[in-house]
Amino acid sequence: GQQVMQIPQYQHVQEGEDFTTYCNSSTTLSNIQWYKQRPGGHPVFLIQLVKSGEVKKQKRLTFQFGEAKKNSSLHITATQTTDVGTYFCAGQSSGSARQLTFGSGTQLTVLP
Amino acid sequence: ETGVTQTPRHLVMGMTNKKSLKCEQHLGHNAMYWYKQSAKKPLELMFVYNFKEQTENNSVPSRFSPECPNSSHLFLHLHTLQPEDSALYLCASSQDLRTGRHYGYTFGSGTRLTVV
Repeated sequence: GQQVMQIPQYQHVQEGEDFTTYCNSSTTLSNIQWYKQRPGGHPVFLIQLVKSGEVKKQKRLTFQFGEAKKNSSLHITATQTTDVGTYFCAGQSSGSARQLTFGSGTQLTVLP
Repeated sequence: ETGVTQTPRHLVMGMTNKKSLKCEQHLGHNAMYWYKQSAKKPLELMFVYNFKEQTENNSVPSRFSPECPNSSHLFLHLHTLQPEDSALYLCASSQDLRTGRHYGYTFGSGTRLTVV
């Protein structure tokens, strides 16, 4: 079945440093979504990428979808303590099944 | 509030108990989901309902029994659970799966379940 791998599992950064998490799928995706889960909270939808090579920005967050639609990345510039949480990618396959397959997440800690 | 409400927020139950988790969404969505989130594991899809019809059962043990009486409500009935079933159970909803378009999921706050 479809697998979505995400690295790194944990990342500690000093406030102001940049952060990147990477997501790789075993199969070609129709789209990829990114979610953020604060400690003790629930996943919150951030963005969806659909087109090959697509790049989207949300303030300090930059999301990319690979040309082959099998990988994606989330980059945060100049992290802040409010960025703390676990970032999940979730891929949706191209087939008839439309369920999302979540990556294992990257837990980001930002040190003040 | 996310628009997806889950109750109870916390639940402790014995292995011989029967309990139910409830999820209600006020977003006009037609697809609803149950996910299990355990420590150090990816989110695991359990069940999918689209327009009240179950479209996915991800090899979930029969001690978990879903019910979807309408597009706004989803239940997860629990009986004779095991300690390893302790986890955060998340409900989510999205737009109609039949359109072929893709939508982000809205998650509820979850029910933290502990089986003793």
